[in-house]
Amino acid sequence: EVQLVESGGGLVQPGGSLRLSCAASGFMFSNYWMSWVRQAPGMGLEWVANIKQDESEKYYDPSVKGRFTISRDNAKNSLYLQMNNLRAEDTAVYYCATGLYVNSPADYWGQGTLVTVSS
Amino acid sequence: SYDLTQPPSVSVFSGQTASITCSGDKLGDKYVSWYQQKPGQSPVLLIYQDVRRRSGIPERISGSNSGNTATLTISGTQAMDEADYHCQAWDRNSYVVFGGGTKLTVL
Repeated sequence: EVQLVESGGGLVQPGGSLRLSCAASGFMFSNYWMSWVRQAPGMGLEWVANIKQDESEKYYDPSVKGRFTISRDNAKNSLYLQMNNLRAEDTAVYYCATGLYVNSPADYWGQGTLVTVSS
Repeated sequence: SYDLTQPPSVSVFSGQTASITCSGDKLGDKYVSWYQQKPGQSPVLLIYQDVRRRSGIPERISGSNSGNTATLTISGTQAMDEADYHCQAWDRNSYVVFGGGTKLTVL
């Protein structure tokens, strides 16, 4: 069974940092592009970033470029999102998902982890 | 940036057919995926590459894409279909793009 389990969310002050993790199991993690997608309260889905299997390509939404860094550790079947200089508008549930590159859809999603940016 | 537009809400009577649209410039030239999201749950892939149903998705759920509009069609709508539906496409400049989501209400 495919499982994606996010962790690392919480309450942080504006300007602060958080590191999200996503532990993958049940599939060949190293064979997949991986993505982070977020959803602000009551809003739609918003893609954040994605990363190629070997980390040679990474792409970011302009709203997070320069502040967020996506990375992965294939040996640990894990995906990460380092979030710096957080803003109130970054408040959302953050999901990790497989795929989301060119014509590859997001086959699997984690349960999400809530990030709240507030003073 | 590339934008996808969905109606905020669609209502349908139980047993009838629901159509949820997703509009974007020359969207028919891109592949569209559709996701269902029930309250408090993560999104679930329904349709990919415009018309392909994910394994386990019933045949009464179908997709199409032509011109500037992609459509998710749910035939014989049931109470269990009440959810938010999100379209998604890939644009070579904007990368991954989601529509704003449509809340389907089954009356």
